[in-house]
Amino acid sequence: DAGVTQSPTHLIKTRGQQVTLRCSPKSGHDTVSWYQQALGQGPQFIFQYYEEEERQRGNFPDRFSGHQFPNYSSELNVNALLLGDSALYLCASSFSWGNSPLHFGNGTRLTVT
Amino acid sequence: SQQGEEDPQALSIQEGENATMNCSYKTSINNLQWYRQNSGRGLVHLILIRSNEREKHSGRLRVTLDTSKKSSSLLITASRAADTASYFCAIHKAAGNKLTFGGGTRVLVKP
Repeated sequence: DAGVTQSPTHLIKTRGQQVTLRCSPKSGHDTVSWYQQALGQGPQFIFQYYEEEERQRGNFPDRFSGHQFPNYSSELNVNALLLGDSALYLCASSFSWGNSPLHFGNGTRLTVT
Repeated sequence: SQQGEEDPQALSIQEGENATMNCSYKTSINNLQWYRQNSGRGLVHLILIRSNEREKHSGRLRVTLDTSKKSSSLLITASRAADTASYFCAIHKAAGNKLTFGGGTRVLVKP
């Protein structure tokens, strides 16, 4: 039973470019959350998708957008990249009910130069 | 901020010793969760404690929750070198399924 998988594992982009990160949730999970983790910091909530809609959003600009597909997989898109967007981007899946713990992928390390 | 704040930020102990870290928060919660992260990897769920629970155990882990003080603690007993990692508390409010993480405690267990 595969856990949460993310691709790519590493990515280097230039300021101003756009990037798409992908996530496949753990089998049976229907909810996907995205987090940004800067070096030495805790994960910061970006948004959460359920039933192909954004259900909650953290304090991130509109440059950050996402999508969830009918098979529950998800994408995170970041436009007009800034140096400060360099971070580990973590995808986590869960069941939609309230006490379901999160299962994380190993993340995508994005470096913006 | 409503997020959990861990204390201490870093902890260095010898193998076999116990490690204790604390988490404080500012809002009412539905549950509080602890996660572990090995360097550069994803987070792994350790234990969930509901707001109406005071203590939970899982193997060498013991978590306490004091909702009156808005604080939780994670105790790792008889630590091993493999316990070297960052530990995060995360709070879940009553509404929705969003988890809010603290800044973490970095634990180094020396052999």
